[in-house]
Amino acid sequence: DVKVTQSSRYLVKRTGEKVFLECVQDMDHENMFWYRQDPGLGLRLIYFSYDVKMKEKGDIPEGYSVSREKKERFSLILESASTNQTSMYLCATRDSPGGGYGAKNIQYFGAGTRLSVL
Amino acid sequence: AQRVTQPEKLLSVFKGAPVELKCNYSYSGSPELFWYVQYSRQRLQLLLRHISRESIKGFTADLNKGETSFHLKKPFAQEEDSAMYYCALPSLQGTSYGKLTFGQGTILTVHP
Repeated sequence: DVKVTQSSRYLVKRTGEKVFLECVQDMDHENMFWYRQDPGLGLRLIYFSYDVKMKEKGDIPEGYSVSREKKERFSLILESASTNQTSMYLCATRDSPGGGYGAKNIQYFGAGTRLSVL
Repeated sequence: AQRVTQPEKLLSVFKGAPVELKCNYSYSGSPELFWYVQYSRQRLQLLLRHISRESIKGFTADLNKGETSFHLKKPFAQEEDSAMYYCALPSLQGTSYGKLTFGQGTILTVHP
């Protein structure tokens, strides 16, 4: 059973603070993702990582950065938090890419971190 | 660019009634499609995927390439089906391989 753990369920931060959201997985998956979930907008990809020390921008990377120093851990960093970054943040993992269709295209999600920036 | 559209933000039905959650996509190629579900206070999880052609919790979804749709259906809704549902489309090409594009989500409420 895939386990994706996000370190905090709820966070309250002040505008301008540097914020770290942590995600740890125990399935040795190479790919990890950070999304934000907002009502009416669905899930939007912030950043993803194919492997250790590799990262790719998603659809809405502005104001965020990421770190992947170890395979099992993927951190999302808000360099200077702003009120428009108040949201639910979801981490996900996926097994290494394979050709074509199959189970390797399934993503497994953490429980989420609800961040409020005041 | 690939896109997923779920036209209904909210859908309400009564228990025992049929339910259909709509999903349309745009993709240049042969798509693979998923439905994910998020029950109250639970994590987002895979409900079903079109290549499996399976029925999960009474739900089915058929890929219609002509209409570019992947609607989720259940003949008799139950109260425990109340949840947020997302349709999702993975990229199967290039450097974005495996990246999921999600629809906006549909909140299904099944009334007793």
